Amino acid sequence: DIQMTQSPSSLSASVRDRVTITCRASQSISNYLNWYQQKPGKAPKLLIYAASSLQSGVPSRFSGSGSGTDFTLTISSLQPEDFATYYCQQSYSTPTFGQGTKLEIK
Amino acid sequence: QVQLQESGPGLVKPSETLSLTCTVSGGSISSYYWSWIRQPPGRGLEWIACIYYSGSTNYNPSLKSRVTISGDTSKNQVSLKLNSVTAADTAVYYCAGGSGNYYPLDYWGQGTLVTVSS
Repeated sequence: DIQMTQSPSSLSASVRDRVTITCRASQSISNYLNWYQQKPGKAPKLLIYAASSLQSGVPSRFSGSGSGTDFTLTISSLQPEDFATYYCQQSYSTPTFGQGTKLEIK
Repeated sequence: QVQLQESGPGLVKPSETLSLTCTVSGGSISSYYWSWIRQPPGRGLEWIACIYYSGSTNYNPSLKSRVTISGDTSKNQVSLKLNSVTAADTAVYYCAGGSGNYYPLDYWGQGTLVTVSS
């Protein structure tokens, strides 16, 4: 299995802050990396696919980068609706998710 | 607009088989790949299984011996069966699908809570 490790596991930030979440794969996954946002009681929502491609309808303050084993999700200016849990997922082989990063209001 | 709706029993007894159905509207299941994902209460996401355009399947190694995913094109449904369930299988089960080259999951159902208890 390919293990996905996110850091940090939780993060406190303020509106208008710039936030970066990191995801590391246990082996190279090229750019087969997707990011999801999940709010309490709701299904996850796709934000970024292929490491850096913005899903249609997702605000441009979200961006992704990386290739190989190291990836980042950046929110350039946090908005109130961005406080949620974020998951990375590799689709290079049998899919696996990271453990999640909970983004909370400071 | 593709929409997914999961259905199935909300309560399953230990050692029995959990059976869920995902009904797809707004698109043919043959045009997409489909996954089942679960989330135990208060915990993270766990990918369970996937069925691809070709009909081939892929399973989480930790669940492979107990899981079957299948598609029914006549009903436009994707199904999941998980046998020999225990309390550890209690979770919200999501059906999700997509069509991209990097296999992102664009479409998600709202999820259905399955509790394993006698």
